[in-house]
Amino acid sequence: GAGVSQSPSNKVTEKGKDVELRCDPISGHTALYWYRQSLGQGLEFLIYFQGNSAPDKSGLPSDRFSAERTGGSVSTLTIQRTQQEDSAVYLCASSRGLARTGGELFFGEGSRLTVL
Amino acid sequence: AQSVTQPDIHITVSEGASLELRCNYSYGATPYLFWYVQSPGQGLQLLLKYFSGDTLVQGIKGFEAEFKRSQSSFNLRKPSVHWSDAAEYFCAVSNSGYALNFGKGTSLLVTP
Repeated sequence: GAGVSQSPSNKVTEKGKDVELRCDPISGHTALYWYRQSLGQGLEFLIYFQGNSAPDKSGLPSDRFSAERTGGSVSTLTIQRTQQEDSAVYLCASSRGLARTGGELFFGEGSRLTVL
Repeated sequence: AQSVTQPDIHITVSEGASLELRCNYSYGATPYLFWYVQSPGQGLQLLLKYFSGDTLVQGIKGFEAEFKRSQSSFNLRKPSVHWSDAAEYFCAVSNSGYALNFGKGTSLLVTP
């Protein structure tokens, strides 16, 4: 597609439920990132995928969070047993090269998660 | 660890006035620095980036930024602000891993 696509755009769930957020990166981009944006907190790095390499999971806040990337393309971020503090906008980005060497990150519009 | 500080949470400027958004970073070597803009209801868009060389970099939408190693700063500037520039602006630095570290953002309000 033309840009990074994320779904759903909005998700309201009850505390304790599991949620899945999907990201479809730009075709040909080998790197994929998940960030979390909470009010007044900027963007918090969650996880990074590069090609077929093991992902960098160093930013995941707890073991309730997991992510996978199938076939080097679509990624799913799963949050188990959601808590109210998980409420945030979850942003996905992709890039052709590595961010640390200057590869530009292209962001989706995000998935807004509200946990009641 | 690399970090980014944006001292101003909110800034209000009049349309047509000049703008400077501050960004300070903490990093041992010469960093890769970025400015992104997030307009309401839209994803983040890259305004400009600095890797090396000329310390004054030009970006899209008439923005520029100057890298000052002595001050550990990478401030964003625009000579004349338009109402459409109202948005959230994020400074970011590449980290030793693979991702970008973002500041907490500066919200820009433009008044008539």
